[in-house]
Amino acid sequence: ELKVEQNPLFLSMQEGKNYTIYCNYSTTSDRLYWYRQDPGKSLESLFVLLSNGAVKQEGRLMASLDTKARLSTLHITAAVHDLSATYFCAVTVLSPLVFGKGTRLSVIA
Amino acid sequence: DSGVTQTPKHLITATGQRVTLRCSPRSGDLSVYWYQQSLDQGLQFLIQYYNGEERAKGNILERFSAQQFPDLHSELNLSSLELGDSALYFCASSVGGHNQPQHFGDGTRLSIL
Repeated sequence: ELKVEQNPLFLSMQEGKNYTIYCNYSTTSDRLYWYRQDPGKSLESLFVLLSNGAVKQEGRLMASLDTKARLSTLHITAAVHDLSATYFCAVTVLSPLVFGKGTRLSVIA
Repeated sequence: DSGVTQTPKHLITATGQRVTLRCSPRSGDLSVYWYQQSLDQGLQFLIQYYNGEERAKGNILERFSAQQFPDLHSELNLSSLELGDSALYFCASSVGGHNQPQHFGDGTRLSIL
């Protein structure tokens, strides 16, 4: 059974600081997704990572994938308040998405 | 706007009742997925339909059922509702199978009183 673990589950960080969210998964995966969810809202797709060593960047967010370690990271650079949200990673192995529990990020001044 | 439409946005009902949630996928998408998001269980896959046929089943209770119609919209039926069924129910759609990106609707918030 595919399992996806994220850490930390809660993250409070100051504006301007850098931090990394980690996503580990238990079996070889076809692809890995990162989503953002604002409170009570839908899931917004951020990144799709397809292969080992893949790196994608959008603004202050950068995602990477290490398939050998079964690990993806979401790095936040110089955080701003607008990044406050819950971030999910999700993995698929010829199956529907399996989500991590999410990381609730709060960026404070 | 993802292009996936879910109705209703909010639903309040009582234990023992039955409700139907509706989802219209993005134009051109053949797959519809249903997910349940609750505080204790997180985001869980319930069921997938592809072009009218059930394709995959997840942690869906026997009290729950779904179908996809010829026009590709889907309905999730929840019956004999319990307090624990209170959750946010999301529909997502994709062009094809599991390897295609999924686009999520805004969800239906179900509250059981």
